Amino acid sequence: QSVLTQPPSASGTPGQRVTISCSGSRSNIETNNVYWYQHLPGTAPKLLIFRNNQRPSGVPDRFSGSKSGTSASLAISELRSEDEADYYCATWDDSLSGVIFGGGTKLTVL
Amino acid sequence: EVQLLESGGGLVQPGGSLRLSCAASGFTFSSYAMSWVRQAPGKGLEWVSAISGSAGNTYYADSVKGRFTISRDNSKNTLYLQMHSLGAEDTAVYYCAKDRLGVPTGYFDYWGQGTLVTVSS
Repeated sequence: QSVLTQPPSASGTPGQRVTISCSGSRSNIETNNVYWYQHLPGTAPKLLIFRNNQRPSGVPDRFSGSKSGTSASLAISELRSEDEADYYCATWDDSLSGVIFGGGTKLTVL
Repeated sequence: EVQLLESGGGLVQPGGSLRLSCAASGFTFSSYAMSWVRQAPGKGLEWVSAISGSAGNTYYADSVKGRFTISRDNSKNTLYLQMHSLGAEDTAVYYCAKDRLGVPTGYFDYWGQGTLVTVSS
């Protein structure tokens, strides 16, 4: 069981907006930056969001991140079929002295 | 262009050992922390270990502490993961990941393509 809790699945139709949550605690999300990754099977994970709400160059502005207290979320607007992937939140945990990932959320575009 | 190329994966018997390597290029290797992240079949991403840019500090997940050793050779731009006492639970694709800072944070801006480790008799 992951220290960061994500819903195992999420879904939406093309054009919709979906949100994926990531719940943690004071020792991780509350005190450290949150990162979001997109992972397609057989490929390297891709950084989507850094420092809670910043997008790397090349990531569409349809993807946005936010953080409040011990929780973070990833929002994907104008959903597209190519967004179908696994999404992970990650951060540093001060108590564990290590990086932690959420359990991952499988996004299905219906 | 940043490139991370893992090697050393393969089939190993339970209780055996294996050393993974990650050859890095396209950036000043010694300036950045590096991590190993794995994904077991049907499971999510799991951080395994990290090492600071200077190699002065190492960090491990509880699941591998005492069995795995991370190291780096900054003169060869190469990251290593020495794995001992391997069990079926270590079967996974192992990714090498570059952190954006000199200390590990989870801010992985580049990843390798992964190398498969299979522990089976």
